[in-house]
Amino acid sequence: GAGVSQSPSNKVTEKGKDVELRCDPISGHTALYWYRQSLGQGLEFLIYFQGNSAPDKSGLPSDRFSAERTGGSVSTLTIQRTQQEDSAVYLCASSLSAGVSYEQYFGPGTRLTVT
Amino acid sequence: QKEVEQNSGPLSVPEGAIASLNCTYSDRGSQSFFWYRQYSGKSPELIMSIYSNGDKEDGRFTAQLNKASQYVSLLIRDSQPSDSATYLCAVTVGTYKYIFGTGTRLKVLA
Repeated sequence: GAGVSQSPSNKVTEKGKDVELRCDPISGHTALYWYRQSLGQGLEFLIYFQGNSAPDKSGLPSDRFSAERTGGSVSTLTIQRTQQEDSAVYLCASSLSAGVSYEQYFGPGTRLTVT
Repeated sequence: QKEVEQNSGPLSVPEGAIASLNCTYSDRGSQSFFWYRQYSGKSPELIMSIYSNGDKEDGRFTAQLNKASQYVSLLIRDSQPSDSATYLCAVTVGTYKYIFGTGTRLKVLA
């Protein structure tokens, strides 16, 4: 079946602009995670959703970052007033449910470059 | 101390050899452990999960877990040049959070 999809695959934006990144999880997966991966760094947890609710937003780097999920499916990560340090690959993963025994499957990522 | 530690490598092994990748973690309460493979410019791809002490085999891959030592490893038998990638170890913390190591870069020499 279809895996996790993300769009756009690449985004170049000017400093100060807002961007929206989209994630479409595997059908039937109720949990959705956003991560950020900077060059040479590990995956940084940003936020996770169980259904449409986000019990843990603690990983969001600042109040310029927000995310929502509608219909228990598609999620959007919004970065307002982008800064150069926001440049990274943003990865989305989904799993059957939130919980430590569930495997996460990643989408192809969105490479964000802030100029 | 980082929550999940991996040697960054590169780990170089000849084709056909066994590659051994190691990972240590700090949270004694961690319950689930995962290995991902990440090719350059691509997203992580799940290789294996392991939840209990001991070995788990899947084809050429064997995951080993020792919770007492807070240690998890991945063995790749009959390594192929196509196995050259960065291998990420992921460990669960709490009830839902996954913490990833920074990865070990593996180079399989033809």
